Amino acid sequence: ETGVTQSPTHLIKTRGQQVTLRCSSQSGHNTVSWYQQALGQGPQFIFQYYREEENGRGNFPPRFSGLQFPNYSSELNVNALELDDSALYLCASSLVRDTLTDTQYFGPGTRLTVL
Amino acid sequence: AQSVTQLGSHVSVSEGALVLLRCNYSSSVPPYLFWYVQYPNQGLQLLLKYTSAATLVKGINGFEAEFKKSETSFHLTKPSAHMSDAAEYFCAVRPPGNQFYFGTGTSLTVIP
Repeated sequence: ETGVTQSPTHLIKTRGQQVTLRCSSQSGHNTVSWYQQALGQGPQFIFQYYREEENGRGNFPPRFSGLQFPNYSSELNVNALELDDSALYLCASSLVRDTLTDTQYFGPGTRLTVL
Repeated sequence: AQSVTQLGSHVSVSEGALVLLRCNYSSSVPPYLFWYVQYPNQGLQLLLKYTSAATLVKGINGFEAEFKKSETSFHLTKPSAHMSDAAEYFCAVRPPGNQFYFGTGTSLTVIP
């Protein structure tokens, strides 16, 4: 059983650019959540996808968008990058829609630096 | 509004000593509570969770936490610290719904 994987591991972009981060869910999981973890902070919820549809969103602007594919892998897209977008981006997958009763499995994250 | 406060961004204990990491929450409705651990360059790993069953919750690696509604607390403890416990610990609250709210984390250092 493979765990949650994310790519790339590290990424450097400049202000105004666009970025796509990728996440492969743990085998059999149908729900994926994305989090932003700024340096010295706890993760902040960006959004969640369940069976290819957005199922909840945190307090992030529309330039943060996502996709979930039929194989339940997912992408996080960020347009018009700002310096404050520099952070560790975490993906977490779980089996059922209600993540309360099921454990979220986190990937190692993608470190994004915006210059 | 929901929030999580972790008192003490850095905690140091001697190997073999008691570990106590504090977490207080605010929630308009009874929430569900979690503790996660993050090792360097890794994602978060669930230590334990409270979901309105027993107020004393036992987790992995000898950790446990007690839900105290009157104090709105969910402190994490371990009787005897081990060097491998050195990591960042996050408390999280999840009110009914799907969004998690994480605290800012507590970095645990274990002194040999």
